Amino acid sequence: DTGVSQDPRHKITKRGQNVTFRCDPISEHNRLYWYRQTLGQGPEFLTYFQNEAQLEKSRLLSDRFSAERPKGSFSTLEIQRTEQGDSAMYLCASSIISKNTEAFFGQGTRLTVV
Amino acid sequence: GDSVTQMEGPVTLSEEAFLTINCTYTATGYPSLFWYVQYPGEGLQLLLKATKADDKGSNKGFEATYRKETTSFHLEKGSVQVSDSAVYFCALRNTGFQKLVFGTGTRLLVSP
Repeated sequence: DTGVSQDPRHKITKRGQNVTFRCDPISEHNRLYWYRQTLGQGPEFLTYFQNEAQLEKSRLLSDRFSAERPKGSFSTLEIQRTEQGDSAMYLCASSIISKNTEAFFGQGTRLTVV
Repeated sequence: GDSVTQMEGPVTLSEEAFLTINCTYTATGYPSLFWYVQYPGEGLQLLLKATKADDKGSNKGFEATYRKETTSFHLEKGSVQVSDSAVYFCALRNTGFQKLVFGTGTRLLVSP
């Protein structure tokens, strides 16, 4: 069990470019969550999946954001036409329904839009 | 909507001092309450939780009691160590929902 893995750990991109982040949850965890954390703030919920179904999306997830979990395993979060306000740490977490455990978080992907 | 308010940091203490980090919440229904900790360079880790009123969560010498009458979940530790230096986040999860609602975090700095 290697924990929740996120890739890349850091990403610097120019405004207007598209970026994609990947999250690999803990094996057999069927719930996967995305959060965003800006400097000096707590994490804010973006969306979550149960297996491959996206069950909840925050209003923070604008049309430029899309998340997928096609096979119920890893997930990707894409941001199109990035803006400076997208600069943040993007956190992924996973949990397993059957054991009703709490979510385990990855170390995050830090995005800087220049 | 649901929200969590934490005391602002940083909280600066000497080793072996008593720690309190205040947390209050606003929520409909009966949320579960959590404290997460983020050590430098690491991901968020669950420190403790309580799922109903008057429950006490505890772990690694830290404690917090779910107080419904004051809508609070204050974090305490009797004797802090340098290794406790981190950012502490209070959070809630409301009944029937999966998302966590976090406070803004409180940085704790413990000096030898």
